[in-house]
Amino acid sequence: EADIYQTPRYLVIGTGKKITLECSQTMGHDKMYWYQQDPGMELHLIHYSYGVNSTEKGDLSSESTVSRIRTEHFPLTLESARPSHTSQYLCASSETLYSTATDTQYFGPGTRLTVL
Amino acid sequence: GENVEQHPSTLSVQEGDSAVIKCTYSDSASNYFPWYKQELGKRPQLIIDIRSNVGEKKDQRIAVTLNKTAKHFSLHITETQPEDSAVYFCAASIRSNFGNEKLTFGTGTRLTIIP
Repeated sequence: EADIYQTPRYLVIGTGKKITLECSQTMGHDKMYWYQQDPGMELHLIHYSYGVNSTEKGDLSSESTVSRIRTEHFPLTLESARPSHTSQYLCASSETLYSTATDTQYFGPGTRLTVL
Repeated sequence: GENVEQHPSTLSVQEGDSAVIKCTYSDSASNYFPWYKQELGKRPQLIIDIRSNVGEKKDQRIAVTLNKTAKHFSLHITETQPEDSAVYFCAASIRSNFGNEKLTFGTGTRLTIIP
């Protein structure tokens, strides 16, 4: 089934650790995004990619980095986790369409990160 | 860049009544306005969207209206039901020949339907 997958779903880690949050989509979409969201609160765009080898920083300053080596895969890495990184991280994807059809962003289930 | 303001931040309505959530945007070039619903503990999902070439769009109990001159758009939910309780986000973006640019989201409205 076409979907967006994120792993892990929950992560508790100590300060200073390096972590990678995985995001994969089987929807064939070219655009992918990472958002940071405290539960039920505003969505903050931290990174986005319009295709392979294309990445941009979003509106919210973030100490994380991303890569886009394969179309379906968009991992986010924190080199040194801190308690201020505690949040939910949502991955999303969308398809470039040149018609007037949908431009919907589809979201993954999220990774809830806690840094102690 | 684009700035989207959303009001109210919380809204409680009696079951069966209507709910209205309003958003304003700053960039007159924005031409695509989706609304997302996020239930507790779940991912945001698109419920309706509108493009700047139309003024209103309806889908059963939900409708969105757009006023380009005033740069605001609204979500209307009629005959509200308990399952409408969620956080709703508006968003705006510019759509070019390369597809949509990144979405700018509003701050969200927590809607509670009172049985």
